[in-house]
Amino acid sequence: GENVEQHPSTLSVQEGDSAVIKCTYSDSASNYFPWYKQELGKRPQLIIDIRSNVGEKKDQRIAVTLNKTAKHFSLHITETQPEDSAVYFCAASTDTGRRALTFGSGTRLQVQP
Amino acid sequence: NAGVMQNPRHLVRRRGQEARLRCSPMKGHSHVYWYRQLPEEGLKFMVYLQKENIIDESGMPKERFSAEFPKEGPSILRIQQVVRGDSAAYFCASSTGLAGTDTQYFGPGTRLTVL
Repeated sequence: GENVEQHPSTLSVQEGDSAVIKCTYSDSASNYFPWYKQELGKRPQLIIDIRSNVGEKKDQRIAVTLNKTAKHFSLHITETQPEDSAVYFCAASTDTGRRALTFGSGTRLQVQP
Repeated sequence: NAGVMQNPRHLVRRRGQEARLRCSPMKGHSHVYWYRQLPEEGLKFMVYLQKENIIDESGMPKERFSAEFPKEGPSILRIQQVVRGDSAAYFCASSTGLAGTDTQYFGPGTRLTVL
């Protein structure tokens, strides 16, 4: 089955700096890669996703890149703000057949004001 | 447009009792997924259902756990004879199931505590 590894497990940055979180996946059939943000005690909230037919997607301060050959994808957050502090999860799945999301172990991002 | 709804939000059970968790998908969504999150850990897939059908239950323990999504009403995750190790947050997600645009949106979760 699919296996998703996520690094780093914790990340501390100064407000205004950039943050990068990296994930690798094992199943070459995976073609859908969402990122979720989870604040303490809250639901996972989708922040951006990418499908395998594109290599990069951007939404304001957030961008995701995908390298299908190397089987890795990354989340980039620019101009970080204290409200970006949360746990971020990457995930991988196929969007047909078995659609279950396989999640990474999470990255706890702390943005220091 | 209401999002994914789950109830109860918190559930306390004693060992050996049954727990029933409910999930109402977003309007227009016919696919439901259940995930479990242990404290300080990531989310683990349990089961994927469409109306009246279990599509994939590969992540659900064979004993004591069952799930359904009836023609009418919410999806239900049922845990019989709960044990302390079942204490976790249980999240459901829903999606349209449309290939190429399918996105899972999560409910607020049910936090189960087994005493």
